Amino acid sequence: DAGVIQSPRHEVTEMGQEVTLRCKPISGHNSLFWYRQTMMRGLELLIYFNNNVPIDDSGMPEDRFSAKMPNASFSTLKIQPSEPRDSAVYFCASSPTGTINQPQHFGDGTRLSIL
Amino acid sequence: QKEVEQNSGPLSVPEGAIASLNCTYSDRGSQSFFWYRQYSGKSPELIMFIYSNGDKEDGRFTAQLNKASQYVSLLIRDSQPSDSATYLCAVPTSGTYKYIFGTGTRLKVLA
Repeated sequence: DAGVIQSPRHEVTEMGQEVTLRCKPISGHNSLFWYRQTMMRGLELLIYFNNNVPIDDSGMPEDRFSAKMPNASFSTLKIQPSEPRDSAVYFCASSPTGTINQPQHFGDGTRLSIL
Repeated sequence: QKEVEQNSGPLSVPEGAIASLNCTYSDRGSQSFFWYRQYSGKSPELIMFIYSNGDKEDGRFTAQLNKASQYVSLLIRDSQPSDSATYLCAVPTSGTYKYIFGTGTRLKVLA
C-alpha cells in the first residue's frame, strides 16, 4: 500500500517567493495533519483536517500560511510570502477516523530552505 | 497548554543492553500513547502504541503506561546500533485528534 506522499522532497527558494507543498494521504484515511519540524521547536502541528474540513488551525504561525484540502486525496500548504525563518522540514500525516486512538502515519517530508 | 516532556539525551547504551526511554504528560484525560522512531533526516515512524495501564510487548520493544503517575515509557531490549535514533512520544489531547509530541530522546547504541 502506498503511504503518505509529499512533494516536493526539497525546495530551495528566495525570500518573498510563494511556496506550495503538496500531500496525498493514505487512501481511506479521513484525517490529515500538517506539521513543521525544526531543531529549536521540535515537531509542531500547524493544522489538521477531518473529512476535508479544517478543524484546528491554531498552530498556523501567521496569515502568510494557508492550507486547503479540496478533496479526500489531496492537500496543500502554501506560504506567501516566504521568509528565511520558515525554513524547516514540513511533514504531512494521515490517520483513519473513527476513534481518537488511531495512529498517524507520516510522509517523507519536504525540506524547505528559504534564502 | 497540554505538555509532553522527554529527556533530550543523548542516552548512550552498549549494544545488547536495555534502553529505557521515558515520557511524562500533563493531560489526565489522554487515553492513547504513541512512540515514534525518527532516524536522522527521515520521517517519524510508528513503532508502538498503548492504551491500557501496564505493559505491552512487541518483539524487542515494551511500552509501559502508568496513568496515575502520567508517564509512559519505552524499553528496548537487546539494543542494536540500528536502534540509534530519536524516539518521540506522542499523546493525543483528550477528545481531539490533535497529537502533542515530546521533543524526543536521542538514543545512541554503542557497538
